[in-house]
Amino acid sequence: AQRVTQPEKLLSVFKGAPVELKCNYSYSGSPELFWYVQYSRQRLQLLLRHISRESIKGFTADLNKGETSFHLKKPFAQEEDSAMYYCALPNSGYALNFGKGTSLLVTP
Amino acid sequence: SAVISQKPSRDICQRGTSLTIQCQVDSQVTMMFWYRQQPGQSLTLIATANQGSEATYESGFVIDKFPISRPNLTFSTLTVSNMSPEDSSIYLCSFKGTGFFEQYFGPGTRLTVT
Repeated sequence: AQRVTQPEKLLSVFKGAPVELKCNYSYSGSPELFWYVQYSRQRLQLLLRHISRESIKGFTADLNKGETSFHLKKPFAQEEDSAMYYCALPNSGYALNFGKGTSLLVTP
Repeated sequence: SAVISQKPSRDICQRGTSLTIQCQVDSQVTMMFWYRQQPGQSLTLIATANQGSEATYESGFVIDKFPISRPNLTFSTLTVSNMSPEDSSIYLCSFKGTGFFEQYFGPGTRLTVT
């Protein structure tokens, strides 16, 4: 079954420090993976999709099929990056399976 | 991209009653989804709602408890029936975008059952 694992419930870093939010997946085939973000009192937003190989708000994520990972990275964290981050993988019916989420706290 | 809205944004309901949540998209979309996010938890898919067909429910969710309507390509409703405190959650609707699998989410409905 398609599954994503986010091992860290909470990640706290200082402003300006690098950030890596971990996501591992279980999928047989070529997965399409996403990162979603939820800022305080805002709706869930699409942050990144691996197929686009884009950089949004300084975040990047590379699919590593050997390690079955899709970690989210940013070289210099900002306070406004504090939010809940979810990794997601589609199931066979086009719906998304979400990881449990990682709460990122960037402190000054 | 399309704008998706939900009503109500929150409600407090008594045990045993029902609540219908409305989800509106400002353009036509093929696939809509309903998720539940229990306190402190991630999102769990309740069902997939495609216009012109019965909703497809995930394991653990049944039509009698969570009836869904999808009367057209811009609108869907989810009813939470015979509510109990365990139904207290945030309920979110989403639609599938024009890309492969990405989805866009409504603001959610925060339901508290007393």
